[in-house]
Amino acid sequence: NAGVTQTPKFQVLKTGQSMTLQCAQDMNHEYMSWYRQDPGMGLRLIHYSVGAGITDQGEVPNGYNVSRSTTEDFPLRLLSAAPSQTSVYFCASRGGLANYGYTFGSGTRLTVV
Amino acid sequence: GIQVEQSPPDLILQEGANSTLRCNFSDSVNNLQWFHQNPWGQLINLFYIPSGTKQNGRLSATTVATERYSLLYISSSQTTDSGVYFCAVKAGGFKTIFGAGTRLFVKA
Repeated sequence: NAGVTQTPKFQVLKTGQSMTLQCAQDMNHEYMSWYRQDPGMGLRLIHYSVGAGITDQGEVPNGYNVSRSTTEDFPLRLLSAAPSQTSVYFCASRGGLANYGYTFGSGTRLTVV
Repeated sequence: GIQVEQSPPDLILQEGANSTLRCNFSDSVNNLQWFHQNPWGQLINLFYIPSGTKQNGRLSATTVATERYSLLYISSSQTTDSGVYFCAVKAGGFKTIFGAGTRLFVKA
């Protein structure tokens, strides 16, 4: 089924470890983004991309890196995990002006101990 | 940057009741969307509504861009409407900013 696929669904890291959260979409969407959601809060934008090879920072980019080598994939890298990065991470994509609604992945619940 | 405020923060309804959720934003926006996050965490796009009114079944939304607010109406609420409702706005560039959400619980 078409959509946004995130892996893993759950992850526990130790402080200082690094890891990559994977995100892939098969809808040929140009725009992809990563959000984090903390308890009782809305989604905060980490990084986004408007196409292959183009990325930019969102509201809370520190401690995260992204790259966009293909239209389909938009991985999020945690460089050195910290307890403050414990959160639920969502990847989203959307099409162009004719198809502006977002499609979200199912989320990755990350705990840093 | 742009500020997005949603009200009320929490809402409890009896099944069958109607409700109105509000989203205020501090600056002109290019578009506005409403999302529902169900109790399992899944986020669903409800409306893309930069201006005007749209309806989809028991849900409808109105955005008055000149007055910087949007309303989401839920009629004849059902227990499956429970969850968190977010509005999100794009104000120039490519960033989409979310409000903190309205948490809705519909009692059977």
